[in-house]
Amino acid sequence: DAGVIQSPRHEVTEMGQEVTLRCKPISGHNSLFWYRQTMMRGLELLIYFNNNVPIDDSGMPEDRFSAKMPNASFSTLKIQPSEPRDSAVYFCASSMLDGYGYTFGSGTRLTVV
Amino acid sequence: AQKVTQAQTEISVVEKEDVTLDCVYETRDTTYYLFWYKQPPSGELVFLIRRNSFDEQNEISGRYSWNFQKSTSSFNFTITASQVVDSAVYFCALVDRGSTLGRLYFGRGTQLTVWP
Repeated sequence: DAGVIQSPRHEVTEMGQEVTLRCKPISGHNSLFWYRQTMMRGLELLIYFNNNVPIDDSGMPEDRFSAKMPNASFSTLKIQPSEPRDSAVYFCASSMLDGYGYTFGSGTRLTVV
Repeated sequence: AQKVTQAQTEISVVEKEDVTLDCVYETRDTTYYLFWYKQPPSGELVFLIRRNSFDEQNEISGRYSWNFQKSTSSFNFTITASQVVDSAVYFCALVDRGSTLGRLYFGRGTQLTVWP
């Protein structure tokens, strides 16, 4: 298995632009998670899905952030419009429903200038 | 509520010293997994170990060992004969297998620096 695949690895964009981060979970995993890591706040859970359904999006910072999971093999995290304070590393992870096999992607380092 | 505490923010040791990273957790669930992850300077999160709440046996993998004690809600990680390549941030994490459907709770991490 190729593991959790995230793209792009690095993204530099200008303030106000739309940014879309992508994630392909491990086949057979039922849960998908989006995390954000910053020096100030550490690893924060933004949103997670079980069986493609969003379960808890209370960690999404504001309406500029949205996430979708149209099918079991693909998810996106979109920021529109982006702001410099959104600069962070964004991780996607997937697992079985009970947490077994929890695996992280390599992350997307986002820089908003 | 679920919570993971890593009280040590930073640890510095000299190569070949042994070092223990502490992790204390809180949960009301009786079934859960505990994890340790390593985050080297390159940034990825590397899985080190998963421990089921029903299995209190300590585990050893090469220079790494883990001490799980439910009585004190602790899951400590020891590196024996540390090496420079062990320098990284180490995260302890908890997954409840019941109430929160697999949501992972992280500690704030311990930055380990091993000096040559």
